[in-house]
Order: sequence, then C-alpha cells, then structure tokens
Amino acid sequence: NAGVTQTPKFQVLKTGQSMTLQCAQDMNHNSMYWYRQDPGMGLRLIYYSASEGTTDKGEVPNGYNVSRLNKREFSLRLESAAPSQTSVYFCASSEEPGQSSEKLFFGSGTQLSVL
Amino acid sequence: QQQVKQSPQSLIVQKGGIPIINCAYENTAFDYFPWYQQFPGKGPALLIAIRPDVSEKKEGRFTISFNKSAKQFSLHIMDSQPGDSATYFCAASMGWNNDMRFGAGTRLTVKP
Repeated sequence: NAGVTQTPKFQVLKTGQSMTLQCAQDMNHNSMYWYRQDPGMGLRLIYYSASEGTTDKGEVPNGYNVSRLNKREFSLRLESAAPSQTSVYFCASSEEPGQSSEKLFFGSGTQLSVL
Repeated sequence: QQQVKQSPQSLIVQKGGIPIINCAYENTAFDYFPWYQQFPGKGPALLIAIRPDVSEKKEGRFTISFNKSAKQFSLHIMDSQPGDSATYFCAASMGWNNDMRFGAGTRLTVKP
C-alpha cells in the first residue's frame, strides 16, 4: 500500500522557471493538502482540496496554483519560482474534515531549491 | 504570526528520561490537537491526538496533557529510547475546516 506518493523527491530551479509537483494517494481520501516546511516555521498550509473539483487557499498561497485532477491526484504549480520558495513541500491526504478521524497522511516530501 | 507556539526548539535527554514538549495556542475555536512525529527524510506521521473534553490521553509511552483554561498542551515521552529521536510537531485545528496549524517543531535527541 503506497499511501501518498510525491514526485520528484528533489528539484533545483533557477529564478523564474516553472514546475509542477505531483501528488497521488491510493487511500480513496476525499481531502488533499499541500504544505511547505521551513526551519523554525513548522508546516504551513499552501492550498487544500476538500473534495474532487474544489480547491481553497491556505495560509501561504501566494506564488502557487493547484489542480485537483481527480480524486487521487493533486498537483502544485510554481509559475515563476523565487528563492523564497526554497523549501520542503509535503502533500497530505485525509478522510473527511470534521469527522472522528482528521488524521493527515503525508508523503515523503519534495526538496526544492530555487537559485 | 504563528497560532501555535511550541517549545523548546531542541531537546537532548538520556535514554530512559522523560522529555516534555510544550505548546500554547490562541484560538479558542480549536478543538483538535494532534502531535506528529517526523524522522529525517520522511513525512510527518500522526503520533497521538486529543480533544479539549479530556485533560489527558495516553498511548503506550506517549501522553498528552491538556489545560484548556491555560490554552496549553504538552507531550510527555516515558522511558525515552534512542529510536524516539525525531522532530515532533504539535498542531491544532477546528473540526469543521481543513486548516490545521502547526507549531515550529522540536528536535528531540535521546542519547544511549
């Protein structure tokens, strides 16, 4: 059982380049999330998708776009990368918000460096 | 500003010791308080969680203590082991939305 799979694991970009981070889950979860992790800041929510066809901004959405391609897949796009977007990005999924189980299942992360 | 403040940033204990990690929150609408454990190169994984209707929850060697009036909660690890060496994050959320707020993390080292 793969859980949450993220690709790529590492990426180096030059300022102004674009890229898409891919995420897929095989747990039939409705909700999916993108977080970034920075030293001393914990994890901060970029965007989330409560269900297929919906997306909403989180705490730090500027500079990012997302697409909920289907129930399994949720991608994060950087249109014009900036050095401030150097971070480790985590995708996560959960069953349903507001239910008895709000457990987040995380992928292994993508380490992104923007030069 | 961070809605969940976590301390200390790092912690070193000897094997068998009881590390304690503390978190404080501002938003009284939070009603779910999980702790996540993260090993290097891996994503965080849920360790234990509590809701504000109880003051303590134990799962194995891990205990959450919750003080609703002080808006604080803490993680205690009994009989700590070198394998517990990891980064621990507290978090808080409101059950009706997806916006979970995380603390800055505590890097725990348990020495043999």
